[in-house]
Amino acid sequence: DVKVTQSSRYLVKRTGEKVFLECVQDMDHENMFWYRQDPGLGLRLIYFSYDVKMKEKGDIPEGYSVSREKKERFSLILESASTNQTSMYLCASVGTVVTEAFFGQGTRLTVV
Amino acid sequence: SQQGEEDPQALSIQEGENATMNCSYKTSINNLQWYRQNSGRGLVHLILIRSNEREKHSGRLRVTLDTSKKSSSLLITASRAADTASYFCATVQGAQKLVFGQGTRLTINP
Repeated sequence: DVKVTQSSRYLVKRTGEKVFLECVQDMDHENMFWYRQDPGLGLRLIYFSYDVKMKEKGDIPEGYSVSREKKERFSLILESASTNQTSMYLCASVGTVVTEAFFGQGTRLTVV
Repeated sequence: SQQGEEDPQALSIQEGENATMNCSYKTSINNLQWYRQNSGRGLVHLILIRSNEREKHSGRLRVTLDTSKKSSSLLITASRAADTASYFCATVQGAQKLVFGQGTRLTINP
């Protein structure tokens, strides 16, 4: 069974904290993505990575950074969490040709 | 910017009826994909249609693609209560950028 695992299902952090969301895939996929999902806005792409140490900004990168030191792991970093970053965060991975994406179970982050 | 825009945003039908959801996109594509999301969970891939295909079937799912109109539709036939979920279309911008639309929230009433 293919698997994409996000480190936390629920997370509560304080404003100003540095937050790390981890995503690990076991399919040797080149491409990995971070999205946030908010009611009425669908999935919005934050960052994606097409190879180790390679990253590209998505549509809403402000306030976020990413790290991909190993092929299987893609981390999303909130440098200084703010309440408007309260959201559901979804990680996905895809092989060399972007066809079927596999998603993690999501991390519901609340910033208080 | 959202590549795929689904229509309608919400759809409520009776069990046994057919459900049709539409997706429009803006740029040229290699393929278009549909995903399903149960409440509060990750997305699951349903079906992929390539740009040189016009129609594709998978069980009770039927997807059409009209590249001249930059639109696709997903038809679920003989709906069941278990089909209640949100449905998203997705396209690829450039080589790797996978973008999703806002989704259609489908409710099947028993």
